[in-house]
Amino acid sequence: DAGITQSPRHKVTETGTPVTLRCHQTENHRYMYWYRQDPGHGLRLIHYSYGVKDTDKGEVSDGYSVSRSKTEDFLLTLESATSSQTSVYFCAISARDITSYEQYFGPGTRLTVT
Amino acid sequence: GENVEQHPSTLSVQEGDSAVIKCTYSDSASNYFPWYKQELGKGPQLIIDIRSNVGEKKDQRIAVTLNKTAKHFSLHITETQPEDSAVYFCAASRNRGGSNYKLTFGKGTLLTVNP
Repeated sequence: DAGITQSPRHKVTETGTPVTLRCHQTENHRYMYWYRQDPGHGLRLIHYSYGVKDTDKGEVSDGYSVSRSKTEDFLLTLESATSSQTSVYFCAISARDITSYEQYFGPGTRLTVT
Repeated sequence: GENVEQHPSTLSVQEGDSAVIKCTYSDSASNYFPWYKQELGKGPQLIIDIRSNVGEKKDQRIAVTLNKTAKHFSLHITETQPEDSAVYFCAASRNRGGSNYKLTFGKGTLLTVNP
């Protein structure tokens, strides 16, 4: 998985509790992304980062926040989890330089909110 | 914003046959089109991509074609094998100065290759 790890890999939590998912890369890539995957919707971008402390919203950012204090780590936080946030979450990385547009995905985190 | 449509949603072929998956996009400024393969329980894996300055690209049994005028691109898999069975996603993005390089994905195609 291109030097990308996600933790935890599985989590069950209750409605209203905070949850933080972690993405760690060993490739020193500048860009990092968080997606969610749901049946019938494919992959949808939640937030992305284009450098340390530089982040921006994707198409489904409501209810989520992110932080990137180091190049290698990108955290996704659900401040107060809801059942609609039950999903599989994928982190991706990209060098995004003039020769490389490729985006590589991690193994995913399956989150269930009860 | 960009919108990517992918067809068919499911595709079943016999081993050895060819499979074709088609995608259309809406943003004429998009210039990068990757294809991903996702096996059950795993993350999407990049299998081939194409840039807008190229009409076709091949890698062994896999090929991608791009028609910029019609704004559609296709994945072709020849001599399919059971291990090709997976969900395939197409995507598009605009990789130019000032853009944000975000990928927009199609909803996926479940390919089943029957032995």
